[in-house]
Amino acid sequence: DVQVVESGGGLVKPGRSLRLSCAVSGFTFSDYNMNWVRQAPGKGLEWVASISTSGSFIHYADSVKGRFTISRDNAKKSLDLQMNNLRVEDTAVYYCARGSYVYAIKPPDYWGQGTLVTVSS
Amino acid sequence: QTVVTQDPSFSVSPGGTATLTCGLTSASVSSTHYPSWYQQTPGQTPRLLIYNTISRSSGVPGRFAGSLLGDRAALTITGALADDECDYYCALYMNNSFWVFGGGTKLTVL
Repeated sequence: DVQVVESGGGLVKPGRSLRLSCAVSGFTFSDYNMNWVRQAPGKGLEWVASISTSGSFIHYADSVKGRFTISRDNAKKSLDLQMNNLRVEDTAVYYCARGSYVYAIKPPDYWGQGTLVTVSS
Repeated sequence: QTVVTQDPSFSVSPGGTATLTCGLTSASVSSTHYPSWYQQTPGQTPRLLIYNTISRSSGVPGRFAGSLLGDRAALTITGALADDECDYYCALYMNNSFWVFGGGTKLTVL
């Protein structure tokens, strides 16, 4: 079975940093693009960042560009999201989600349960 | 900046048909946007229902169907059940690079 598990969330002050991690199993991690998607309390889904299978192609939402960095380690089957200069509006549940297979185009299909990031003074 | 639009709410009678739509503020939705639909019940992870306009994910009942309707993407739910009452999000593939979600439609079955 495909499993996706996020970790690293917590309470942090504005301007500080936090690093989220995602561990996966049940599929060949290196064959899939990966995504981070977030959901603010009571709000809708917002795609945050994506990374290609090799890590060569990376995209960010405008709202996090220049502050967040997505990365992956195919050997460890892990995905990270380094979040710097956090803002109150970054408060959300952050989901790690499997993307499409290699060069296919498919939206995130398997999602973790999410990790809550709260940015507050 | 292009925004993905959805009606905030929609009501349907039990057993009835609901058609939820998804548009773009500055363009028509087409198959090149690979329209996709998610279902999210409160406190749960989003579930991918439809991808690539019309393809159903494994295990999704046939009463959920995706399509293009004019300049928008559509999710049609036939024979609505009480369990279908939740939030539905569309997602469009933009600039051949990344996904953008709509604001979601809260479906009420009553």
